[in-house]
Amino acid sequence: GQQVMQIPQYQHVQEGEDFTTYCNSSTTLSNIQWYKQRPGGHPVFLIQLVKSGEVKKQKRLTFQFGEAKKNSSLHITATQTTDVGTYFCAGPRGGADGLTFGKGTHLIIQP
Amino acid sequence: GAGVSQTPSNKVTEKGKYVELRCDPISGHTALYWYRQSLGQGPEFLIYFQGTGAADDSGLPNDRFFAVRPEGSVSTLKIQRTERGDSAVYLCASSPSGMNTGELFFGEGSRLTVL
Repeated sequence: GQQVMQIPQYQHVQEGEDFTTYCNSSTTLSNIQWYKQRPGGHPVFLIQLVKSGEVKKQKRLTFQFGEAKKNSSLHITATQTTDVGTYFCAGPRGGADGLTFGKGTHLIIQP
Repeated sequence: GAGVSQTPSNKVTEKGKYVELRCDPISGHTALYWYRQSLGQGPEFLIYFQGTGAADDSGLPNDRFFAVRPEGSVSTLKIQRTERGDSAVYLCASSPSGMNTGELFFGEGSRLTVL
């Protein structure tokens, strides 16, 4: 079945450093979504990318969807302590409704 | 309510017991999903409802797991003869129409611990 893989699994950064997480799918995706989960919280939707090569920005966050629509990345510029959490990418479940989530990248920020 | 509501927030039970977890989706959302999240992992799909019917239950791990949504709103996930491996956070999510066209709105989850 369809798989969504994320790297790295953990990322430690100093506050103010940049952070990037990468997502790869075994199949072409019609769209990809990103979610953030704070420690002890639930996943919260960040963004959806639909078009090949699409780039979207939300303040310090930049999201990209690959040309082949099989990979995506999330880049955070100048991390802040409020960015702490786990970032998940998710793609449609190959012909079925619902999403397949990656295992997430846990962002740990050291002040 | 304003968001997806799940009860209980925490449930501790003994191995072999029966458990029910409840989800109240956002009003008007026809699509409802149950996911399971183990520590350090991403949410894992269990079942999807469109209206009252279970449109896709392919993620349920075995026949001890069952879910209903009798009136197309509130859903209950039922686990029989619980096992220690069932311990996880069970997340419910809803969306206006499904069809992978928009975000999932998650509840806070029900943390199940099987002793």
